[in-house]
Amino acid sequence: QKEVEQDPGPLSVPEGAIVSLNCTYSNSAFQYFMWYRQYSRKGPELLMYTYSSGNKEDGRFTAQVDKSSKYISLFIRDSQPSDSATYLCAMRRGNNYGQNFVFGPGTRLSVLP
Amino acid sequence: KAGVTQTPRYLIKTRGQQVTLSCSPISGHRSVSWYQQTPGQGLQFLFEYFSETQRNKGNFPGRFSGRQFSNSRSEMNVSTLELGDSALYLCASSLAAAVSTDTQYFGPGTRLTVL
Repeated sequence: QKEVEQDPGPLSVPEGAIVSLNCTYSNSAFQYFMWYRQYSRKGPELLMYTYSSGNKEDGRFTAQVDKSSKYISLFIRDSQPSDSATYLCAMRRGNNYGQNFVFGPGTRLSVLP
Repeated sequence: KAGVTQTPRYLIKTRGQQVTLSCSPISGHRSVSWYQQTPGQGLQFLFEYFSETQRNKGNFPGRFSGRQFSNSRSEMNVSTLELGDSALYLCASSLAAAVSTDTQYFGPGTRLTVL
């Protein structure tokens, strides 16, 4: 079993829809959680960073963390064609610096006009 | 503030050759990590450097190596290239100032094609 699993997609939604992207993880040592957006042929871009259970909102994006269930989600409200990209969840153990980040495989999202 | 820069952006090499990729982190960032991204395997961690020392390493063969200079710039080297090394190589930098706030910012990547 991989440390981080992510819905593979691809996911296609109409413009204006609410999008839900999800990751599960197996290691309870993960304490810090991130969502990245990656456009085709570009490097990943940091969208959200959270470290506690609950919700964090930033504009149209809401990151949700449930540490008891080892489950994180990213919600996109009023989705736009410009949101079409691959979304990667990432997480890191929290005890010291010498720990690498672990990424999910990514979910490709297409928002249709 | 300028972002992470990587050079070159594209490379074409043949099997058996070696290649060196370069990464300049965001100003003030002390940690540089390298990743390999392929359609089949996703983002896979290669190694991380901090203060010119490798402090974390992924599961890649010894053909993959790196180093970091005193100005935090980093290079990655792949020797004896194989067809399977064709990938997007991403560099990410982080401030590494506090464990609770440390996160990574990525460069645009170097796309390596091995023929």
